[in-house]
Amino acid sequence: DGGITQSPKYLFRKEGQNVTLSCEQNLNHDAMYWYRQDPGQGLRLIYYSQIVNDFQKGDIAEGYSVSREKKESFPLTVTSAQKNPTAFYLCASSIPGGAGYGYTFGSGTRLTVV
Amino acid sequence: AQSVTQLGSHVSVSEGALVLLRCNYSSSVPPYLFWYVQYPNQGLQLLLKYTSAATLVKGINGFEAEFKKSETSFHLTKPSAHMRDAAEYFCAVIGSGGYNKLIFGAGTRLAVHP
Repeated sequence: DGGITQSPKYLFRKEGQNVTLSCEQNLNHDAMYWYRQDPGQGLRLIYYSQIVNDFQKGDIAEGYSVSREKKESFPLTVTSAQKNPTAFYLCASSIPGGAGYGYTFGSGTRLTVV
Repeated sequence: AQSVTQLGSHVSVSEGALVLLRCNYSSSVPPYLFWYVQYPNQGLQLLLKYTSAATLVKGINGFEAEFKKSETSFHLTKPSAHMRDAAEYFCAVIGSGGYNKLIFGAGTRLAVHP
């Protein structure tokens, strides 16, 4: 079955460390997105990518970086510059230009700073 | 800019009672509107969507929503709540800018009591 796989499901990071969250999709979607979820704040867009080798900052990109070397993969790195990284991270994909289709989401990665 | 407001961060109903989750949107163009459901530590699942066809939209799990342009609303309803409906619900609107940037509300947590 087609879908989005996020790994790991739980991740612990020490202060000052960079960590990378994986997101892989086999839906043949061109567009991919990273959202951060905090209690009571809904989902906030970190980065998005419409095509391979291209990506744009979302609303809260500071302290994060991404790459899009393959259509299927859109990893997110949480750098040491992100001051409050503890959150639930969701990856999504969609058909560009297909606004009516909405997004397909992965099951998320919960990142905790220890 | 487009935005979504969900009235009530927490809603509690008895099993068998009507579920009503409120969503108001702001948009300068005809919107696409979505309701997503999230169970604990999981990703978001699409419940239903409005894409300028019928104003009353039926979704999965017995939910439906009505698009009311005059009220800029897209409230989610279900005639009879089940215990399994307990989850967090997000309303979202497609933003402007030539790409499918979904803008989410802050979410409403639904509790269902026996």
